[in-house]
Amino acid sequence: AQSVTQLDSQVPVFEEAPVELRCNYSSSVSVYLFWYVQYPNQGLQLLLKYLSGSTLVKGINGFEAEFNKSQTSFHLRKPSVHISDTAEYFCAVSDRVGSQGNLIFGKGTKLSVKP
Amino acid sequence: NAGVTQTPKFRILKIGQSMTLQCAQDMNHNYMYWYRQDPGMGLKLIYYSVGAGITDKGEVPNGYNVSRSTTEDFPLRLELAAPSQTSVYFCASSYSRIEETQYFGPGTRLLVL
Repeated sequence: AQSVTQLDSQVPVFEEAPVELRCNYSSSVSVYLFWYVQYPNQGLQLLLKYLSGSTLVKGINGFEAEFNKSQTSFHLRKPSVHISDTAEYFCAVSDRVGSQGNLIFGKGTKLSVKP
Repeated sequence: NAGVTQTPKFRILKIGQSMTLQCAQDMNHNYMYWYRQDPGMGLKLIYYSVGAGITDKGEVPNGYNVSRSTTEDFPLRLELAAPSQTSVYFCASSYSRIEETQYFGPGTRLLVL
């Protein structure tokens, strides 16, 4: 069974500062990894995903994440945040076989960007 | 395309009442999902479907039922509402297996009193 740990429940940051949202996962098999974003009062939308290949994945809105197999991590980064990045961010994992599309989500990290 | 639509947006139920949360998608996706989101707990999968006529339980199915008679629709039924079912419910769809992006609806906020 897989599990996901998002190490910070809330991250406050000033506008134009860099940010890193941390995600660690646990699994006995190879996995796919995802980051989703939820803006206030909306559903989730995909930021980026790692399926295979290059461990550095680029997503929408200037976000990127790096898959580190040895540390079982998939941290999300942005070099300069905007007010509009204020949202909740969810890391999710799924095994590569047999899950029929089941995603296991972390508890979320609320990013608050202050002017 | 409207994407994934959900109705109602908000509902208050009394304990023991029943209701159906509606979900529809117009992207011709095969896979559909129901999640619930509780504060500080992330999303938990309730039920999913890999095609019309095929459904299966997720992590937290107790107290819910689903059906999938068409590709487009995936309603979620609460038979005897309980306060523990107070939550925000999200429907999602994807074209096929897990490597495909899941597209989420705007959610239904349910309060059981």
